[in-house]
Amino acid sequence: DQQVKQNSPSLSVQEGRISILNCDYTNSMFDYFLWYKKYPAEGPTFLISISSIKDKNEDGRFTVFLNKSAKHLSLHIVPSQPGDSAVYFCAASVGGTASKLTFGTGTRLQVTL
Amino acid sequence: KAGVTQTPRYLIKTRGQQVTLSCSPISGHRSVSWYQQTPGQGLQFLFEYFSETQRNKGNFPGRFSGRQFSNSRSEMNVSTLELGDSALYLCASSLEAGRFTTGELFFGEGSRLTVL
Repeated sequence: DQQVKQNSPSLSVQEGRISILNCDYTNSMFDYFLWYKKYPAEGPTFLISISSIKDKNEDGRFTVFLNKSAKHLSLHIVPSQPGDSAVYFCAASVGGTASKLTFGTGTRLQVTL
Repeated sequence: KAGVTQTPRYLIKTRGQQVTLSCSPISGHRSVSWYQQTPGQGLQFLFEYFSETQRNKGNFPGRFSGRQFSNSRSEMNVSTLELGDSALYLCASSLEAGRFTTGELFFGEGSRLTVL
């Protein structure tokens, strides 16, 4: 049972445009959500997080939106750059920490010139 | 400072064998977590150790075990290997912090296990 779902396995966006990566979850106990980026042959690296008490968190070009009623979150990257090409994982936890994360299956983003 | 170090990076085993993977966390990090990454399942949580105690455990069979030493280094062991255990095993360390104050798990590059 996949409690965190990333329904788009891949996404292609032109450089300079907005990239929107989506994530849905089913467990209403999740109260902390994170995005990680992974390049080939490297471990995932933390991008941005949001707690359930907020609906938006921004960090530079990256913004995460949380819609609790829809159990949906999204990551916006503006503007997209070629170096953003990677696999993006959505993750969630119960208890507000990065312990015992439940990850989605990832979305491969390709930013084209 | 040095990142999370995992050894070995690659290994090949046959069914029925056992394997031990090692993880050295970032200096000062006392929490170590292990995740299994497979193409169809993404990253799945195995277990988390803090101060030599297992604090959380995922839904994996008892063939998967781990431990943490007093210097925070951790090992995980898989016994009686099956073909389906072929995966990238990722270790992550983190600082202990309160709720909503950190999102950073620092991941190593992983140990890629192939079971033949």
